[in-house]
Amino acid sequence: DIQMTQSPSSLSASVGDTVTITCRASQGISNYLAWFQQKPGKAPKSLIYAASSLQSGVPSKFSGSGSGTDFTLTISSLQPEDFATYYCQQYNRHPLTFGGGTKVEIK
Amino acid sequence: EVQLVESGGALVQPGGSLRLSCSASGFTFSSYAIYWVRQAPGKGLEYVSRISSNGDSTNYADSFKGRFTISRDNSKNTVYLQMSSLRDEDTAVYYCVKDTQHSAYGAYGGTFDFWGQGTLVTVSS
Repeated sequence: DIQMTQSPSSLSASVGDTVTITCRASQGISNYLAWFQQKPGKAPKSLIYAASSLQSGVPSKFSGSGSGTDFTLTISSLQPEDFATYYCQQYNRHPLTFGGGTKVEIK
Repeated sequence: EVQLVESGGALVQPGGSLRLSCSASGFTFSSYAIYWVRQAPGKGLEYVSRISSNGDSTNYADSFKGRFTISRDNSKNTVYLQMSSLRDEDTAVYYCVKDTQHSAYGAYGGTFDFWGQGTLVTVSS
């Protein structure tokens, strides 16, 4: 199975900050990488697919990049509603696998 | 509006069985693969299984092969997850998730655009 490693596991940031989350795959996955946002007690929400394509309705403050084994999710101008846990997921090879999550907290 | 509504979660004893349902609306159900993803309390997301748009293809993560069975009824816009030989560690919220990719482009896109609200399965004596 392809292992997905996210870093950091948590971070503290202030409203207005820009943050970057990293996701590393244990082997090359081309651009078959997605990102999800999950708020406490809620279902995840799909943000990005194909490493950098925004899902419909997702604001452009979210951006993704990368290919191969290294990927990033950048969130610009953090707002209170952006404080959540973020997960990456690879879909290059079955079984689909997720990163362990990055919790973005308010400083 | 796309909606996925899971049901069937319950408290069940170890070794028991349970069937989850996922009722879909707001899109052409028979044109999309559907997945089950679970989340144990306080833990991350874990892929369970998927089924192609016409039900001809199914896949499972190794942990669930032989214990879980996914199926669908396109006449009812519903996907099922039959779970048996349940263990304490199967305690989780189970989400039904829609594939991003229309079946005209292949059986599976591999990632998701819409999630259900989840249904809680608790395995405990």
